[in-house]
Amino acid sequence: AQSVSQHNHHVILSEAASLELGCNYSYGGTVNLFWYVQYPGQHLQLLLKYFSGDPLVKGIKGFEAEFIKSKFSFNLRKPSVQWSDTAEYFCAVIANQGGKLIFGQGTELSVKP
Amino acid sequence: EPEVTQTPSHQVTQMGQEVILRCVPISNHLYFYWYRQILGQKVEFLVSFYNNEISEKSEIFDDQFSVERPDGSNFTLKIRSTKLEDSAMYFCASSDLGTGIHSPLHFGNGTRLTVT
Repeated sequence: AQSVSQHNHHVILSEAASLELGCNYSYGGTVNLFWYVQYPGQHLQLLLKYFSGDPLVKGIKGFEAEFIKSKFSFNLRKPSVQWSDTAEYFCAVIANQGGKLIFGQGTELSVKP
Repeated sequence: EPEVTQTPSHQVTQMGQEVILRCVPISNHLYFYWYRQILGQKVEFLVSFYNNEISEKSEIFDDQFSVERPDGSNFTLKIRSTKLEDSAMYFCASSDLGTGIHSPLHFGNGTRLTVT
């Protein structure tokens, strides 16, 4: 069965610090990968997605993620975080044959001004 | 940008009561989903719906749950007899070509269900 694990439950950073949130999935076939963000009191929003092609994917708000197939990883990065990046971040995966979106447990990011 | 809208934002109900959570998906989308997130836990898939029928459901989605698309715009989740453990945030989502085929899900703001 597919599963997604996010390494960090809660990350606390100061503004301008660099961010990397880990995500690993378990599935042997072709996958589509997503990062969603949930700002306090708001709905899940898509940050970026990977379907195929360049494994380095750029998303909104300066976020990027790198798909490393050999490591079954899709880590999220941002060179310099802002206070407004405070939110919960969810990695998600789906097998390319279709089916449901499987979420990781989420990482809460707190950015101190 | 079109949005998925959910009502109500917060629903409080007593154990054993029926609740209906409502969603208006994005108008040209064809695939509809319900997910839930129990406080402190991960977002879990409940059910997907396409062409007026359930296409997939999880083991959470037992006989107490049902979904319906009663008209051209609404997509509802009904819980027949709520239990305390049904307390969660319920998210509706829609997509235009189905997940995994170049179409990410668009999520609503969620309905927080509290069962007392």
